[in-house]
Amino acid sequence: KQEVTQIPAALSVPEGENLVLNCSFTDSAIYNLQWFRQDPGKGLTSLLLIQSSQREQTSGRLNASLDKSSGRSTLYIAASQPGDSATYLCAVQEGGSEKLVFGKGTKLTVNP
Amino acid sequence: NAGVTQTPKFRILKIGQSMTLQCTQDMNHNYMYWYRQDPGMGLKLIYYSVGAGITDKGEVPNGYNVSRSTTEDFPLRLELAAPSQTSVYFCASSRTSGGAGEQFFGPGTRLTVL
Repeated sequence: KQEVTQIPAALSVPEGENLVLNCSFTDSAIYNLQWFRQDPGKGLTSLLLIQSSQREQTSGRLNASLDKSSGRSTLYIAASQPGDSATYLCAVQEGGSEKLVFGKGTKLTVNP
Repeated sequence: NAGVTQTPKFRILKIGQSMTLQCTQDMNHNYMYWYRQDPGMGLKLIYYSVGAGITDKGEVPNGYNVSRSTTEDFPLRLELAAPSQTSVYFCASSRTSGGAGEQFFGPGTRLTVL
């Protein structure tokens, strides 16, 4: 059974710091991995999608990497801002399945 | 485009009542999904649909039903509500699947069953 783990569960950093959020998964037979942002009381916003054949994706200050063989992904946020404060969720789409398996998320707080 | 819309935003039900959560997308996506999110937990798939007239169970389907009569709409029906169904429900859609399917989410419906 696929399990997705995100470490740490919560992270507090000063504004301007570069940071890394971690995601690990137990079964490497995935179609893709997706990073989402969730603001309190809101839905999920897709940040980056990495297909299984890709190693990384970049969007602005965000960079996500994927190492299928080790079952790991990282989300790198450069020059963090208070507006980056949110919960970041990682999800993998299992091969041959429509199901996304989610981690519990990392709650990020960027202090001014 | 409005994207994925859900109604209602909030609802309180009594045990044993029924209700339908509405979901509509205007992106002409074939794939639609219903998830629930319990406090401090990741999302879990309830049901999904790969096109009009086709639905299938996800990880936690018990106590729920769905239908997909049009491409745009994917309502979720709760029969005989139970306290265990207290959760936030998210609807999502994607253009395709099999690796290329970025999922777009609605704002959620917060349901409390008392």
